[in-house]
Amino acid sequence: KQEVTQIPAALSVPEGENLVLNCSFTDSAIYNLQWFRQDPGKGLTSLLLIQSSQREQTSGRLNASLDKSSGRSTLYIAASQPGDSATYLCAVLLNSGYSTLTFGKGTMLLVSP
Amino acid sequence: DTGVSQDPRHKITKRGQNVTFRCDPISEHNRLYWYRQTLGQGPEFLTYFQNEAQLEKSRLLSDRFSAERPKGSFSTLEIQRTEQGDSAMYLCASSPPGQGADGYTFGSGTRLTVV
Repeated sequence: KQEVTQIPAALSVPEGENLVLNCSFTDSAIYNLQWFRQDPGKGLTSLLLIQSSQREQTSGRLNASLDKSSGRSTLYIAASQPGDSATYLCAVLLNSGYSTLTFGKGTMLLVSP
Repeated sequence: DTGVSQDPRHKITKRGQNVTFRCDPISEHNRLYWYRQTLGQGPEFLTYFQNEAQLEKSRLLSDRFSAERPKGSFSTLEIQRTEQGDSAMYLCASSPPGQGADGYTFGSGTRLTVV
């Protein structure tokens, strides 16, 4: 059974800092990995999607890397802003005909001014 | 089409009552998913439709839960005889044909509170 773990569970940083969120998964036979952002009481917003054949994806101040063989992904946020405060969720899609995502519990990020 | 729509946004119900939620996916997406998220947890899979066919159901989906997608477009999720443990955010997502290579698009969710 695929398990996804996110570390740290919570992170508080001052504005302007660069930061890294970690995601690990137990079954490396993934089809892709997706990072989502969730604001309190809201739905999920997709940030970055990395296919299993890719090493990284970038969007603005966000960069996500994937090391499939070691079962790890990182989300790097450069020059953090208070508006980045949210919960960040990592999810993997298995390459086994399954179409369902397996999520981690998320990292709750607080960026203070 | 601006994304995945869910209705209602919030629902408060008394224990024992039935509730129904609706999800309208992105029009060209033939795959539709329901997930449940409790406080402090990541979303957990409930059920999956490809067009009108319900292809997969999680063991989390007890007999009190039923989902439909009658015409392969919108979907409904009904919970009968609600219990306090059903309180959660119910999330709907859709994806285009294929193996999900283009990723999922989630709706804003329906927050259910059972009192």
